[in-house]
Amino acid sequence: QITLKESGPTLVKPTQTLTLTCTFSGFSLDSSKEGVGWIRQPPGKALEWLALIYWDDDKRYSPSLSSRLTITKDASKNQVVLTLTNMDPVDTATYYCAHRRPYILTGYYSDYFDYWGQGTLVTVSS
Amino acid sequence: DIQMTQSPSSLSASVGDRVTITCRASQNIGSFLNWYQQKPGRAPKVLIYGASSLESGVPSRFSGSGSGTDFTLTITTLQPEDFATYYCQQTDGFSWTFGQGTKVEVK
Repeated sequence: QITLKESGPTLVKPTQTLTLTCTFSGFSLDSSKEGVGWIRQPPGKALEWLALIYWDDDKRYSPSLSSRLTITKDASKNQVVLTLTNMDPVDTATYYCAHRRPYILTGYYSDYFDYWGQGTLVTVSS
Repeated sequence: DIQMTQSPSSLSASVGDRVTITCRASQNIGSFLNWYQQKPGRAPKVLIYGASSLESGVPSRFSGSGSGTDFTLTITTLQPEDFATYYCQQTDGFSWTFGQGTKVEVK
């Protein structure tokens, strides 16, 4: 049974750096093909993918936020950490981490997010 | 960046209706398209992956089709628990993009 849970501050001030931790169980980020992603959702708005880290420490970032994002993993602690610098009120959102499930289609690997954390609401306000 | 456009943004339907939601990619994504359902205050739940593969445990009234740039999610007989917002999502292995969502409301 895979579970994930996000933790971090619920309120940050503008210009501060947000650090969120995803603590998971039921899989190992040391294992081939595993990965964890971060997705956020502003209140009443759509989902937005932020970053993903693979078992081999390869990383992917949203092009629109790449200069502000860092994703790291600590496989021994079963944790993935996301940092987002220079927070702004528009970054107010529920932040989710999710498990990446790979699959093969027509000989190519792709993936989807099959298990999600409950999400954590982060408000940016002075 | 690959952009995903869903239509409609919202629709009103009744229990028992057949519901169809479309998703269009800004470029060819093959069949690498996933569909999620999200209820208020809850995390999204995957329904379909690879454009047409049903995730384990998802009722068979949900189906997906399409390839290239045009995709469809169909709910054959809408149930009370299906009133929710639905998102399509693509990945090319470098970025993951969600559509803007389609809210299925009670008529």
